Amino acid sequence: DGGITQSPKYLFRKEGQNVTLSCEQNLNHDAMYWYRQDPGQGLRLIYYSQIVNDFQKGDIAEGYSVSREKKESFPLTVTSAQKNPTAFYLCASSIMGAYEKLFFGSGTQLSVL
Amino acid sequence: QKEVEQNSGPLSVPEGAIASLNCTYSDRGSQSFFWYRQYSGKSPELIMSIYSNGDKEDGRFTAQLNKASQYVSLLIRDSQPSDSATYLCAVMANDMRFGAGTRLTVKP
Repeated sequence: DGGITQSPKYLFRKEGQNVTLSCEQNLNHDAMYWYRQDPGQGLRLIYYSQIVNDFQKGDIAEGYSVSREKKESFPLTVTSAQKNPTAFYLCASSIMGAYEKLFFGSGTQLSVL
Repeated sequence: QKEVEQNSGPLSVPEGAIASLNCTYSDRGSQSFFWYRQYSGKSPELIMSIYSNGDKEDGRFTAQLNKASQYVSLLIRDSQPSDSATYLCAVMANDMRFGAGTRLTVKP
């Protein structure tokens, strides 16, 4: 079955620690995205990538980093510079040029210990 | 002013009633409009998209768009308890902007 797989489902970060959230898709989509969701707020774009080895910052990129070495994979690293990382993180993908038809992964809930 | 605004709710309707969810947006250049359903702790799922003024129906769901008023709505007919979820409005201009969502509860 085609889809987007995010792991882990739950993640805990210690202060000063970097953590990496995994996102893999087998939909053959060119574009991939990372969103952050906080209670009572809409999804906010962190980073997006439309082709391999290229990515752009979204609205709230500070404290985060990404890579796109393979079409299928778009991992997100939450660095120690992100002082308020507790949130639900969603990875999505779409056919390039069809930004609107987003397919979402199941999400990762990140909490701070 | 938020780019995409929704009433956070909760909106509570009895089973079988019509649920009406509303959304306003600020960017007049917006061209594409979407409704996503999100169950608690789960990822959003696209349920409706609309691109031109008027109504678009899909089963029990009807999306309504009025670009002049910068308003988009979602009607759910014959609401079922399984429709209880948060409904996210999303608007596409240069990029996709999401509202905070309206939480809907359908009571048996």
